[in-house]
Amino acid sequence: GAVVSQHPSRVICKSGTSVKIECRSLDFQATTMFWYRQFPKQSLMLMATSNEGSKATYEQGVEKDKFLINHASLTLSTLTVTSAHPEDSSFYICSARKLASGEGTQYFGPGTRLLVL
Amino acid sequence: QKEVEQNSGPLSVPEGAIASLNCTYSDRGSQSFFWYRQYSGKSPELIMFIYSNGDKEDGRFTAQLNKASQYVSLLIRDSQPSDSATYLCAVLQGGKLIFGQGTELSVKP
Repeated sequence: GAVVSQHPSRVICKSGTSVKIECRSLDFQATTMFWYRQFPKQSLMLMATSNEGSKATYEQGVEKDKFLINHASLTLSTLTVTSAHPEDSSFYICSARKLASGEGTQYFGPGTRLLVL
Repeated sequence: QKEVEQNSGPLSVPEGAIASLNCTYSDRGSQSFFWYRQYSGKSPELIMFIYSNGDKEDGRFTAQLNKASQYVSLLIRDSQPSDSATYLCAVLQGGKLIFGQGTELSVKP
């Protein structure tokens, strides 16, 4: 199988607080995990690529100091939205790529819906 | 020009018909191509991938790839109302998946 979990599934927070989202590959090892954001009626936008044991690579326009990514093991990556504001409200989805996946298949977590009041 | 383009739809087909979803991409160096299905409020789930020219069949789904034309499609045979969702085409470029904007499919009973 290829199961990816995310926690929490939904979070509501006040403006200015920080929120941590966990992404776990449950039945496989993932050297690379990806974090996406999806606004309503739009496609997935890649935020950053997370490699185990190294710094994340952020896409253009994504603030690395605001979206902190840690990939501490082959099965866990975390995204922390620091000092969240209402415009950060979105659907955050992680994906994981299997070790030695030649074709590059990514398996997605169920997503985390963030609402910042 | 967007890197991966899809018709946003909605595409409406009657139950039992064939649904045809199309996708074009701009980077000729792209190696692998993926189709994901996303139900409203849910995350994408992989339907299938293809990396060689031609057709690849999996159950009711057939992916078609034409690298010369930079075109990939997904056919859904015997469409069911449960197939109603947004279908995302994704292209692997430089180790990253680049997504199209998705095509909304509606299968009418």
